[in-house]
Amino acid sequence: GAVVSQHPSWVICKSGTSVKIECRSLDFQATTMFWYRQFPKQSLMLMATSNEGSKATYEQGVEKDKFLINHASLTLSTLTVTSAHPEDSSFYICSARTSGRAWTDTQYFGPGTRLTVL
Amino acid sequence: GNSVTQMEGPVTLSEEAFLTINCTYTATGYPSLFWYVQYPGEGLQLLLKATKADDKGSNKGFEATYRKETTSFHLEKGSVQVSDSAVYFCALSPPSGGYQKVTFGTGTKLQVIP
Repeated sequence: GAVVSQHPSWVICKSGTSVKIECRSLDFQATTMFWYRQFPKQSLMLMATSNEGSKATYEQGVEKDKFLINHASLTLSTLTVTSAHPEDSSFYICSARTSGRAWTDTQYFGPGTRLTVL
Repeated sequence: GNSVTQMEGPVTLSEEAFLTINCTYTATGYPSLFWYVQYPGEGLQLLLKATKADDKGSNKGFEATYRKETTSFHLEKGSVQVSDSAVYFCALSPPSGGYQKVTFGTGTKLQVIP
């Protein structure tokens, strides 16, 4: 099946530093990748959608200058949390969607990255 | 807009009990419907899906039937195991046409005790 990896799986950083999270589709080409944030005991909140080679589309309320997304290739998207603060601590999950007939598309999720900002 | 409503948890069952987690949705047209499972400390895994009315998705003993008339996609399993303890998310993806944004329910935590 389709496999999506994330790196790192967890990261601890100091307040004010930037952190980059990678999302890779290992055995398929992902025309679209999604970035979610999950708060404890809550559902996933979509942050942004990225299409290869174009600018990401951010959801309302998500700061595009703080959460930089780059989708450089059909297998790699990165999320950079700039000038991280403790309130950015969360579980970040990416997903990738295969191309094809839209109504049969399925999103495949990465294992998530736990970010803790001290 | 689209929405997904799941029963609130947590749901606590004894091993080998019957499981039902209710899910209803609001959407126009015929969305695709999904159940995802999230084990502690991990990301989401696709459990099963259905893409049209009356379709039944099934995997690992879990089943869910796409009911257009009741706009429901309830998850069932005849005999749960301790290893099924996880959070289950119902989700929908709108019909074809451009930007595909998946809407998730709030998740239902299942705890199975020996």
